[in-house]
Amino acid sequence: DGGITQSPKYLFRKEGQNVTLSCEQNLNHDAMYWYRQDPGQGLRLIYYSQIVNDFQKGDIAEGYSVSREKKESFPLTVTSAQKNPTAFYLCASRSQQGHTQYFGPGTRLTVL
Amino acid sequence: GENVEQHPSTLSVQEGDSAVIKCTYSDSASNYFPWYKQELGKGPQLIIDIRSNVGEKKDQRIAVTLNKTAKHFSLHITETQPEDSAVYFCAASPYSGSARQLTFGSGTQLTVLP
Repeated sequence: DGGITQSPKYLFRKEGQNVTLSCEQNLNHDAMYWYRQDPGQGLRLIYYSQIVNDFQKGDIAEGYSVSREKKESFPLTVTSAQKNPTAFYLCASRSQQGHTQYFGPGTRLTVL
Repeated sequence: GENVEQHPSTLSVQEGDSAVIKCTYSDSASNYFPWYKQELGKGPQLIIDIRSNVGEKKDQRIAVTLNKTAKHFSLHITETQPEDSAVYFCAASPYSGSARQLTFGSGTQLTVLP
């Protein structure tokens, strides 16, 4: 089965703790993206990567970090510096030549 | 940067009626416009897209129209069914450029009443 997987589906953390969200794809896509979704709002871009070992900040990168050590994987770390981390996080990928971004099922993070 | 506005934020229609969702964009360099459907608790799925060299595109009950001069595009769903109930997002992106970042509208909650 080809696709994008995100784990876990639900994540709870205490305030002040860093947490890492997983995103894996077996579509052989070069580009990967992380979005944040809040109720009543559209998707906002956190970080994106077009190639292994390279990534760029999106519109709301403060308080987040990423790595791209493998083509298949693009983990997102929500740090304690992120002031309002509770949200639904979506990962997406795109082939180098294509335009369509394919989304994973998302991770709902709740910080208590 | 690009700014995409989407209206309405909520839309209720009777089963069998048509639904129309409208979006406007600000950056004239944008020339790729996808529409996504998101069901509760799931990731968005592409339902249709259009490029700026085309004014209209249709796929069964779904159609998208684009007016580049006015910088707006619309999603039309005909013969709506209860399974069409979901949140719909429009987006805009420059077709050229390696990053091809999408800027999303704020979403429309569509409810199809049986």
